[in-house]
Amino acid sequence: QSALTQPASVSGSPGQSITISCTGTSSDVGGYNYVSWYQQHPGRAPKLIIYDVSNRPSGVSNRFSGSKSGNTASLTISGLQAEDEADYYCSSYTTSTTRVFGGGTKLTVL
Amino acid sequence: QVQLVESGGGVVQSGRSLRLSCAASGFTFSTYGIHWVRQAPGKGLEWVAVISYDGSDKYYADSVKGRFTISRDNSKNTLYLQMNSLRVEDTAVYYCARDSRSLALDIWGQGTMVTVSS
Repeated sequence: QSALTQPASVSGSPGQSITISCTGTSSDVGGYNYVSWYQQHPGRAPKLIIYDVSNRPSGVSNRFSGSKSGNTASLTISGLQAEDEADYYCSSYTTSTTRVFGGGTKLTVL
Repeated sequence: QVQLVESGGGVVQSGRSLRLSCAASGFTFSTYGIHWVRQAPGKGLEWVAVISYDGSDKYYADSVKGRFTISRDNSKNTLYLQMNSLRVEDTAVYYCARDSRSLALDIWGQGTMVTVSS
């Protein structure tokens, strides 16, 4: 149950686009289309922003998008806004019927 | 509204036990699997355990297997996490989260803090 690999930090200026990667194995990310992404602001509970690799829950901005290639999933945020500054976590269903999270990525909006 | 509310956190000595609760409202609790996820201070999210909608299936992270037990009472719309043989490294905010139909965690509680002292 090793954690998925995410970059520790990314940054971008308002209006720009950024992409956060999430690398796993064939036992999790690569084996299923059950990758989800969560946004967490300081002191708050995580919030689901992407499920099933690329689907957005109702109410989530279409500036958030997800994709997957092989064992790596990606979250792209376009038109960066100050409110996007937060921690982002990927997660995947696994062959053990469990879940695994990535280590998290801190997004800084410059 | 759809809501999960955790309770039962606190300060406990290493080796002792603690039971967390998660009260659900606003949805049909008995038709959803529920997870426990924890977050140590300043660290990332760590998946802990999941229980199926009827309690028949339970899965645990290796780090808590044999020490923690997840259970539910659908008549009370409540999820539990019995934590035994607690260790300092179990110190974290513990969240309960609903398993959506797409295997993502779509509703989260506000969390309850557990501090294990040596």
